[in-house]
Amino acid sequence: EAQVTQNPRYLITVTGKKLTVTCSQNMNHEYMSWYRQDPGLGLRQIYYSMNVEVTDKGDVPEGYKVSRKEKRNFPLILESPSPNQTSLYFCASSRVGGPYEQYFGPGTRLTVT
Amino acid sequence: GENVEQHPSTLSVQEGDSAVIKCTYSDSASNYFPWYKQELGKRPQLIIDIRSNVGEKKDQRIAVTLNKTAKHFSLHITETQPEDSAVYFCPMLWGSGNTGKLIFGQGTTLQVKP
Repeated sequence: EAQVTQNPRYLITVTGKKLTVTCSQNMNHEYMSWYRQDPGLGLRQIYYSMNVEVTDKGDVPEGYKVSRKEKRNFPLILESPSPNQTSLYFCASSRVGGPYEQYFGPGTRLTVT
Repeated sequence: GENVEQHPSTLSVQEGDSAVIKCTYSDSASNYFPWYKQELGKRPQLIIDIRSNVGEKKDQRIAVTLNKTAKHFSLHITETQPEDSAVYFCPMLWGSGNTGKLIFGQGTTLQVKP
């Protein structure tokens, strides 16, 4: 089954404790992206990657890191989480050059206290 | 820079009525126009899309129309049902499409009252 998976689905952590949210896709997609979703603000892009070892900042990259060492994986790293990073996070993937449909993971709800 | 604006931000209709959400874009080179639906607690999913060489596309109760001159496209939902209640997004394909990057806006929250 074609899918994007994220782990964990829910996470409660404390300020400053490093964490990683994993994202994996099995569709051989070149493009992968991380979004955060907050009430009234829609989907805002954090980072994206067009292929292995190619990453770029989105609209709200501060406080986040990513890596793309393998085509299927695109982890999101919060080196020192802060309460303003409490949010719902989505990973997505698609083909570069089309078709442009983005497949989203189930989401990770992060709470930083 | 490129951006996309949706109107209205919230929409409430009675079950059985029609709903229309309009999306205005700034990049005249845009050639791909999708609509995503996000039900409460779920992930966004593509429901319909259209290319710039097509003026309208229908899929059962939903349709998308494109006005390239005015740079807007709209989602039409007929005979609305409670399960149509969701947030709808019309992301813009960034650049010429050779990156796959979509720019999402704030979305439109549709509430269908039974």
